[in-house]
Amino acid sequence: QVQLKESGPGLVQPSQTLSLTCTVSGFSLTSNSVSWVRQPPGKGLEWMGAIWSGGSTDYNSALKSRLSISRDTSKSQVFLKMNSLQTEDTAIYFCTRLTTEGRGFAYWGQGTLVTVSS
Amino acid sequence: NIVMTQSPKSMSISVGDRVTMNCKASQNVYNNIAWYQQKPGKSPKLLIYYASNRYTGVPDRFTGSGSGTDFTLTINSVQAEDAAFYYCQRIYNSPFTFGSGTKLEIK
Repeated sequence: QVQLKESGPGLVQPSQTLSLTCTVSGFSLTSNSVSWVRQPPGKGLEWMGAIWSGGSTDYNSALKSRLSISRDTSKSQVFLKMNSLQTEDTAIYFCTRLTTEGRGFAYWGQGTLVTVSS
Repeated sequence: NIVMTQSPKSMSISVGDRVTMNCKASQNVYNNIAWYQQKPGKSPKLLIYYASNRYTGVPDRFTGSGSGTDFTLTINSVQAEDAAFYYCQRIYNSPFTFGSGTKLEIK
């Protein structure tokens, strides 16, 4: 079945770069897109960006200057890198996948909490 | 960029009541809206896609409606397990902007 799992450091220092990995199973990255969504503690959801089946990317304009999404299809992994982290980037980071027909994000990882603190 | 505005921010409803929550897009998004339910400590769950279609396994007490800029999620005969945050989201075209959410509490 479709599964996504986020991994990465739980703690990042201010001004440093965040690197997260989403490892997927049950589907191919060359046929499906993967997005990253984050949620600060006690706050709402923010779509960060996506990597499409063909390898192109789209980003939230508010994060575009700091954010990079890439993938390794042979390892079924999607990567998020975001630089110049600040305390307001503390959040749960989710990777998620659209349904095949693009009906919405039906498949989600469990999320990983990233705390930005010195 | 399209802004999705949800109202109310929170509501407290008794079991068995009917509840309606709203989502307004800053420009025409046609029927390209999804609704999600999120419970504390959990990932969001897709409820409704393309404004009015229930996703697989979603109880029929959840109903979505609207088009253009104004959308509504209605829960008929609310159950205790419906206590959660509800988010609308623009789909089909990126950016896939979320609304700020509505918190549903059960009295």
